[in-house]
Amino acid sequence: EIVLTQSPGTLSLSPGERATLSCRASQSVSSSSLAWYQQKPGQAPRLLLYGASSRATGIPDRFSGSGSGTDFTLTISRLEPEDFAVYYCQQYGSSPYTFGQGTKLEIK
Amino acid sequence: EVQLVESGGGLVQPGRSLRLSCVASGFTFDDYAMHWVRQAPGKGLEWVSGISWNSGSINYADSVKGRFTISRDNAKNSLYLQMSSLRIEDTALYYCVKDGNGWLATDFDYWGQGTLVTVSS
Repeated sequence: EIVLTQSPGTLSLSPGERATLSCRASQSVSSSSLAWYQQKPGQAPRLLLYGASSRATGIPDRFSGSGSGTDFTLTISRLEPEDFAVYYCQQYGSSPYTFGQGTKLEIK
Repeated sequence: EVQLVESGGGLVQPGRSLRLSCVASGFTFDDYAMHWVRQAPGKGLEWVSGISWNSGSINYADSVKGRFTISRDNAKNSLYLQMSSLRIEDTALYYCVKDGNGWLATDFDYWGQGTLVTVSS
């Protein structure tokens, strides 16, 4: 099983700042089969990025992803008030399709 | 518009069974793999099970293997999760999730709102 470790656990930033979230895998994720999801309180998760760096439909270009192998990054270039939420990475290259424990992005 | 509507959750005693359902609309259901993902109260996401478009490929998390059975009825645009020998640790919000592809697995591109399963005596 591939274990995904996200850091930091909580990130406190202000609107307009840049956010960098990390996801590290216990073994290489095949074909960059890594996705990022955003979840707001009381809502279902929403797909942000897939294939490590491709934005899902309707996702603003301030969200970007990078990485390969075992190290992946989600970057939000300029935080908007609606971006404060919990973010999860997930690998879908091999079953079980594991999620990281999440990073909570909170307003400073 | 893609819609995934779950039902069947509720309060159940440990050791009992429950069947979850998900009705899909807004896309060609039998072109896509589907999954169940759960989230315990205040916790993170846990993938539970996935099924390919034709039911030819099925996977389970170790935590549910041998107790849960995923199935689908493409004629009814429906996904199911039969849960048996339920444990307290199965308490969670269960999401029905669409895969981006017909085979297992790619990104999880659409999620339902979830149905809550509470296992308690």
